[in-house]
Amino acid sequence: NAGVTQTPKFRVLKTGQSMTLLCAQDMNHEYMYWYRQDPGMGLRLIHYSVGEGTTAKGEVPDGYNVSRLKKQNFLLGLESAAPSQTSVYFCASRQAPEQYFGPGTRLTVT
Amino acid sequence: AQSVTQLGSHVSVSEGALVLLRCNYSSSVPPYLFWYVQYPNQGLQLLLKYTSAATLVKGINGFEAEFKKSETSFHLTKPSAHMSDAAEYFCAVITGNQFYFGTGTSLTVIP
Repeated sequence: NAGVTQTPKFRVLKTGQSMTLLCAQDMNHEYMYWYRQDPGMGLRLIHYSVGEGTTAKGEVPDGYNVSRLKKQNFLLGLESAAPSQTSVYFCASRQAPEQYFGPGTRLTVT
Repeated sequence: AQSVTQLGSHVSVSEGALVLLRCNYSSSVPPYLFWYVQYPNQGLQLLLKYTSAATLVKGINGFEAEFKKSETSFHLTKPSAHMSDAAEYFCAVITGNQFYFGTGTSLTVIP
């Protein structure tokens, strides 16, 4: 049981490039979340999903898109990366009421 | 909207001393509340949760927290700090399907 995994672990992008972060969970959870973590700001919710084929905006959705085509996977896309998107990104899945977090992806946009 | 306030972004305690990390929430109804711990370069791990059962909640690693509705607080305590407790701690509240996290408290344990 791997829990929640994230791919890749590290990435450096140039401004304007695009990329997709993959989150996978093997716990059959309905809910999945994407957060960003910045120093002094805690975790902020980007997007979330309450089930396969559904997505919803969180607190800071601008500049990001998501898809949940399969129950076990939740993808986070950056279409045109900006330096302000430099952050650590965490994915989580939820079995109410708890969340289970992945190890994070450290993204740097230059 | 729900919010969580953690007082003190950095807390230092001596090994063996009491750990007290503060969390206050804003909510018109009793919420579900959580404390998470994050070790360097890792994801968040659940320490404990309050789900409207007992007001004193015991978690892992000797931590506990008390829900006080009158003070809208959910402070985290541990009687005796250990070096391995050095980490970042986050308080969180859930409303609907969304979690709201505090800005975190970095705990340093001095030998």
